[in-house]
Amino acid sequence: AQSVTQLDSQVPVFEEAPVELRCNYSSSVSVYLFWYVQYPNQGLQLLLKYLSGSTLVKGINGFEAEFNKSQTSFHLRKPSVHISDTAEYFCAVSWIQGAQKLVFGQGTRLTINP
Amino acid sequence: DVKVTQSSRYLVKRTGEKVFLECVQDMDHENMFWYRQDPGLGLRLIYFSYDVKMKEKGDIPEGYSVSREKKERFSLILESASTNQTSMYLCASKRANQPQHFGDGTRLSIL
Repeated sequence: AQSVTQLDSQVPVFEEAPVELRCNYSSSVSVYLFWYVQYPNQGLQLLLKYLSGSTLVKGINGFEAEFNKSQTSFHLRKPSVHISDTAEYFCAVSWIQGAQKLVFGQGTRLTINP
Repeated sequence: DVKVTQSSRYLVKRTGEKVFLECVQDMDHENMFWYRQDPGLGLRLIYFSYDVKMKEKGDIPEGYSVSREKKERFSLILESASTNQTSMYLCASKRANQPQHFGDGTRLSIL
């Protein structure tokens, strides 16, 4: 069975500092990988996705993530954060076959301090 | 742009009531999903549908049912609402090999 672990439930950082949100997954089959962001009182918005090809994926709002197959990780990074990045971030995986249900991590709450 | 619309942002119902949550998408997506979101647990799949009148149970289907009579609409039904079903409910839709698109969510309180 697939599972996703986000290693930090909360990450506080100062504005303009770099940030890394960690995500590890387990799966016996090939998967697609996603990061979603949820701003307060909103649904989830896709930040970036890995389907195939280059392991370094760039997304919206200056975020990027690197797929590491040997470590089964898909960590999210941003070199310099802004107050507006305050949100909850979810890592998710889906099977390549079938209806491609998403399995989500528990979420990481990113708080940016001025 | 894909639009997934959930009929209510906030809903308050009483224990034992039958509750309907509606979701409509405008992009002719085959697949639709219902999740509930609880603090510290992330999103958990309740039911999904890969075609009209087709449905499959997700990870936590107990106490819920779904209906998909038309391709664009996917309804979640709480047969007899209980307080432990107080939660944020999120609907999503997708096409094969594409990411899921989410609605803004319905925050449901059962009193």
